[in-house]
Amino acid sequence: LAKTTQPISMDSYEGQEVNITCSHNNIATNDYITWYQQFPSQGPRFIIQGYKTKVTNEVASLFIPADRKSSTLSLPRVSLSDTAVYYCLVGSSGSARQLTFGSGTQLTVLP
Amino acid sequence: DVKVTQSSRYLVKRTGEKVFLECVQDMDHENMFWYRQDPGLGLRLIYFSYDVKMKEKGDIPEGYSVSREKKERFSLILESASTNQTSMYLCASSLRQGARTEAFFGQGTRLTVV
Repeated sequence: LAKTTQPISMDSYEGQEVNITCSHNNIATNDYITWYQQFPSQGPRFIIQGYKTKVTNEVASLFIPADRKSSTLSLPRVSLSDTAVYYCLVGSSGSARQLTFGSGTQLTVLP
Repeated sequence: DVKVTQSSRYLVKRTGEKVFLECVQDMDHENMFWYRQDPGLGLRLIYFSYDVKMKEKGDIPEGYSVSREKKERFSLILESASTNQTSMYLCASSLRQGARTEAFFGQGTRLTVV
């Protein structure tokens, strides 16, 4: 199971682009990288998943370099409502025990 | 939309009580999970189930048990509640096993043991 390392917290201002990086040095060949977002007093929700290069959806972009030892979640033009905890997960199909969350990154968007 | 429903948002119980936390999902998912979340510790997996009547221990199963008699329902049981089980409890479900599949979470139950 690939261990992930993220910053504990980040601050940003409204309208800025925010990049949160996750390190996963021992990622396995079959592993995917998934990000979840959690608002206060709610359960996490899936926002994006990728295997390599770049993935983009209506919420975020995920950048994965060729060596896949890290990944960057990019949130364009954040608003106050993007204040949340963001979790990076690495794993593949197989034992559900691999659905393991770390401590996440607390993003605070300031006005 | 997938819906995972936890029976209570807030619960207060006394030390030594037997506590049941109920979770129901409406998407015919095979897998269901129970996590607890504490400040600074992230989400920690207590138990999960990959089929009816099947269960596996997660990272912190001590003091807990689970029951899955029907596919849509997964119950977490605190046999004898203690104050160190005061926490936010989150239930989740997913169609397939593993981190590649999307997990859907309930709103959480904030349990206080006094």
